[in-house]
Amino acid sequence: EIVLTQSPDFQSVTPKEKVTITCRASQSIGSSLHWYQQKPDQSPKLLIKYASQSFSGVPSRFSGSGSGTDFTLTINSLEAEDAATYYCHQSSSLQETFGQGTKVEIK
Amino acid sequence: QVQLQESGPGLVKPSQTLSLTCTVSGGSISSGGYYWSWIRQHPGKGLEWIGYIYYSGSTYYNPSLKSRVTISVDTSKNQFSLKLSSVTAADTAVYYCAGRGYGKSFDYWGQGTLVTVSS
Repeated sequence: EIVLTQSPDFQSVTPKEKVTITCRASQSIGSSLHWYQQKPDQSPKLLIKYASQSFSGVPSRFSGSGSGTDFTLTINSLEAEDAATYYCHQSSSLQETFGQGTKVEIK
Repeated sequence: QVQLQESGPGLVKPSQTLSLTCTVSGGSISSGGYYWSWIRQHPGKGLEWIGYIYYSGSTYYNPSLKSRVTISVDTSKNQFSLKLSSVTAADTAVYYCAGRGYGKSFDYWGQGTLVTVSS
């Protein structure tokens, strides 16, 4: 099983600040890494697929980068509505897995 | 845009079989383009992929659940279903259905349904 480890687990950020969340895979997964946003009491929503491709309708302040084992989700100029838990997900192996999540709180 | 909606009992007794259905709207299951998926989230925890099915009936399951999981599709009703047998309290979770695109990301999600395993 490929383990995805996100850091940090929790981040408290002021509006307009830049947020960086990392996801490290236990083995190389190429670009088969996707990012989701889950707000309280809602289902997850796709933000970024294949490491860096923005999904339709996602604000341009969200971007992704990386390949192999190290990946980054960046939120430029955080807005209050971005308070959520963010998950990475790998589809490289037959047993797909998710990271443990990073909770972003607005100060 | 594809929309998904889960339905099924919210309470299941231990050792019984959990059964959920996902109804797809805004597109035909049999048009291709998506693998129809189930994912669960234990209370206050992260996400766990359960498995998915193509409209043709091909299935792929999480090895850790494979012995207890069956996913099926009914193209005439534009629905797909999950059965999880021999449930225990550890299967208590919010269950989501989702559409997995050819890009292998879960593009669209249902709102989720909480299933509690308790006597």
